[in-house]
Amino acid sequence: NAGVTQTPKFQVLKTGQSMTLQCAQDMNHNSMYWYRQDPGMGLRLIYYSASEGTTDKGEVPNGYNVSRLNKREFSLRLESAAPSQTSVYFCASSEASSSGRLDTQYFGPGTRLTVL
Amino acid sequence: AQSVAQPEDQVNVAEGNPLTVKCTYSVSGNPYLFWYVQYPNRGLQFLLKYITGDNLVKGSYGFEAEFNKSQTSFHLKKPSALVSDSALYFCAVRDRGGADGLTFGKGTHLIIQP
Repeated sequence: NAGVTQTPKFQVLKTGQSMTLQCAQDMNHNSMYWYRQDPGMGLRLIYYSASEGTTDKGEVPNGYNVSRLNKREFSLRLESAAPSQTSVYFCASSEASSSGRLDTQYFGPGTRLTVL
Repeated sequence: AQSVAQPEDQVNVAEGNPLTVKCTYSVSGNPYLFWYVQYPNRGLQFLLKYITGDNLVKGSYGFEAEFNKSQTSFHLKKPSALVSDSALYFCAVRDRGGADGLTFGKGTHLIIQP
């Protein structure tokens, strides 16, 4: 039982390049999330998926797209990377997401992305 | 909108002394509250949460937190600090009636001195 896994662990891009960050969970969780962590700013929600087939914007969605490929996988795509997207990206999952109830979120190890 | 404040960037405590890491929150309704810990170059690990019920919540590694509705606070505490507790601690909140996803504080570096 690996929990939440993310690939790659590290990535360096040039401005304008594109890439996809992969996330998978083996806990049969319904909800999945993408956050970015910047020094002194905590974690900020980029996108989330409350269930398979649905996605919604979080606090900082500009410049990103997501795909909930199936119940296990939730990918984050940068179409045209910018230096402002240099950050550490965390994927998380939780068991249930319904109105008025939220279970604990479990986090992956993160992807450290540098955009030059 | 919901928000979390962690007023201290860094807290220094001597090993064996009690520790407190402060957190205050703002939500429009009733909150769900969480504490997470992050060790260097690692993801976030869940410590404890308040959903409802007893205001004193006990979590992993001997940590506990007290929910205080009147002061809108959820401070993290431990009676006797260990050097291995040194890490970055995040408080997070979600409004029960709100959309998914957590709002995190900026984090507090906890340094336990031998």
